[in-house]
Amino acid sequence: EAQVTQNPRYLITVTGKKLTVTCSQNMNHEYMSWYRQDPGLGLRQIYYSMNVEVTDKGDVPEGYKVSRKEKRNFPLILESPSPNQTSLYFCASRGLGTQYFGPGTRLLVL
Amino acid sequence: DQQVKQNSPSLSVQEGRISILNCDYTNSMFDYFLWYKKYPAEGPTFLISISSIKDKNEDGRFTVFLNKSAKHLSLHIVPSQPGDSAVYFCAASGASGTYKYIFGTGTRLKVLA
Repeated sequence: EAQVTQNPRYLITVTGKKLTVTCSQNMNHEYMSWYRQDPGLGLRQIYYSMNVEVTDKGDVPEGYKVSRKEKRNFPLILESPSPNQTSLYFCASRGLGTQYFGPGTRLLVL
Repeated sequence: DQQVKQNSPSLSVQEGRISILNCDYTNSMFDYFLWYKKYPAEGPTFLISISSIKDKNEDGRFTVFLNKSAKHLSLHIVPSQPGDSAVYFCAASGASGTYKYIFGTGTRLKVLA
């Protein structure tokens, strides 16, 4: 079954404690991206990757890092989380004109 | 500045009637448009898309209309069913070589039984 998986699904952390949200896809897609969803703002792209070792900033990259060492994985890293990064995060991979989204990671930064 | 706008945050429709969800965009370079559906606690799922070379695309109960001169697209669901109750996002993508999707803020559709 084609899918995008994210872990963890829920995370509560404190300001400044580094965290990583993992994302993996099994469709051999080259393009992957991270979004955050906030009330009244829709889905905003954080970072995207067009292939292994090729990443670029989306619309709201501040405070985030990503890496793409293998095609299937695209982790999102928050080096020093802050409360304004409390949000719902989606990883997505894209093939043949549409994106497939993961189930989401709800993050609360205290 | 929001390049893709969904001005109705919510919409309620009776079961069996037509649901019309609207989306406006400002960037004339967008040439590919998509609608996604999102249930609570799940990621968005692709529903239907349309290229700018078309003005209509149909898939079962779902039809997307594109009016390029007005920079407006709409999603029609006929007939609406309670299972269609979800948040609907429209998204736009630029000319080939641009891989970004710009999403609207979403419209919450409630289909009343």
